[in-house]
Amino acid sequence: ILNVEQSPQSLHVQEGDSTNFTCSFPSSNFYALHWYRWETAKSPEALFVMTLNGDEKKKGRISATLNTKEGYSYLYIKGSQPEDSATYLCALNRDDKIIFGKGTRLHILP
Amino acid sequence: DVKVTQSSRYLVKRTGEKVFLECVQDMDHENMFWYRQDPGLGLRLIYFSYDVKMKEKGDIPEGYSVSREKKERFSLILESASTNQTSMYLCASSSPGPRLPQYFGPGTRLTVT
Repeated sequence: ILNVEQSPQSLHVQEGDSTNFTCSFPSSNFYALHWYRWETAKSPEALFVMTLNGDEKKKGRISATLNTKEGYSYLYIKGSQPEDSATYLCALNRDDKIIFGKGTRLHILP
Repeated sequence: DVKVTQSSRYLVKRTGEKVFLECVQDMDHENMFWYRQDPGLGLRLIYFSYDVKMKEKGDIPEGYSVSREKKERFSLILESASTNQTSMYLCASSSPGPRLPQYFGPGTRLTVT
């Protein structure tokens, strides 16, 4: 069974602080890993897609790294802002199957 | 901008009713997907389609069917709605290839009473 695990399930972070969370997956037959941000009352939006071991992607204050050999990806947010409050989903694409993790729900405290 | 639209944001149906959820995308994407999202369970794939008139079962197809008569439209059908199908339903589309992201619709919150 292909399982994508995200931790923590929920996170409260003070505005201005930096934070990170994890996506873990089986490392064999890896194709691509996607990160999405899902704000309340909106559609999930793609943040990053990563394919190579050691990949690092960055978009503003948000960045992500990928380790396919050990089967994990980290998402980092630097200097959290209220607009970062959302659920962050990772999804593994492997053998034409797309499996989503359950997400990390991030709350930014003013 | 890619746009994926779903026919309703909120829907209330009675047990036993036949329910149609419609999804339309305007980017000529080959792939389309239907998910449901439930608290604590994340996004689960119900059905997907790689081309017109093609469909594949996802992880939880029981109680659902789909139709893809035109490339831009993918319909999810609940043949006889039950209370355990109360959920948020999300449609998505993408071009082929594992490296390309999916684009999601706004979701339909279905309540079956």
